[in-house]
Amino acid sequence: DQQVKQNSPSLSVQEGRISILNCDYTNSMFDYFLWYKKYPAEGPTFLISISSIKDKNEDGRFTVFLNKSAKHLSLHIVPSQPGDSAVYFCAARDQGAQKLVFGQGTRLTINP
Amino acid sequence: IAGITQAPTSQILAAGRRMTLRCTQDMRHNAMYWYRQDLGLGLRLIHYSNTAGTTGKGEVPDGYSVSRANTDDFPLTLASAVPSQTSVYFCASSEHGTSGGAADEQFFGPGTRLTVL
Repeated sequence: DQQVKQNSPSLSVQEGRISILNCDYTNSMFDYFLWYKKYPAEGPTFLISISSIKDKNEDGRFTVFLNKSAKHLSLHIVPSQPGDSAVYFCAARDQGAQKLVFGQGTRLTINP
Repeated sequence: IAGITQAPTSQILAAGRRMTLRCTQDMRHNAMYWYRQDLGLGLRLIHYSNTAGTTGKGEVPDGYSVSRANTDDFPLTLASAVPSQTSVYFCASSEHGTSGGAADEQFFGPGTRLTVL
């Protein structure tokens, strides 16, 4: 029973264009959502987060949008750069269970 | 450089053997976590510890045990390894844990690739 789902295993985007990574969740008790980025042979690194009381959070080229009614969030990267090529994990905090729940990940490839 | 170290980097293990994966952090974080990463399943929490001396079960705890004798170390033990435990294991830490306040950023180690034959 996957509470956090990233339905696109991979995404390919041209350099300079916008990358949009999507994430859906089922648990309405999640109160924070986070995005992590992972390069091969390295651990994931934190990218950006959003509280469930907000609908948008922006940090430089990265913006996360949250649609609570649809239980959907997305990460926008603009403009996309070759160094953005990585696996991106969406995660949600279940405060009641004191844990983060991760999605399956989406492999983003930025083409020159 | 401050952060999390994991050892070994990789290991091939015969089924039935006992194995301990080591994790050490030098950021004085209260909370530590063990995850496994499997293709198509993302990162799944095995065990966690919100503070030294306490531990809790995550999503997939069976076959694994942990201890938190001090702030810095959080070893993960497989008492009798099975092939389904073949995975990449990540240790992580966060300053405050996952309860209360803003969601804490978790810092991850480089991972241990474990193969059980």
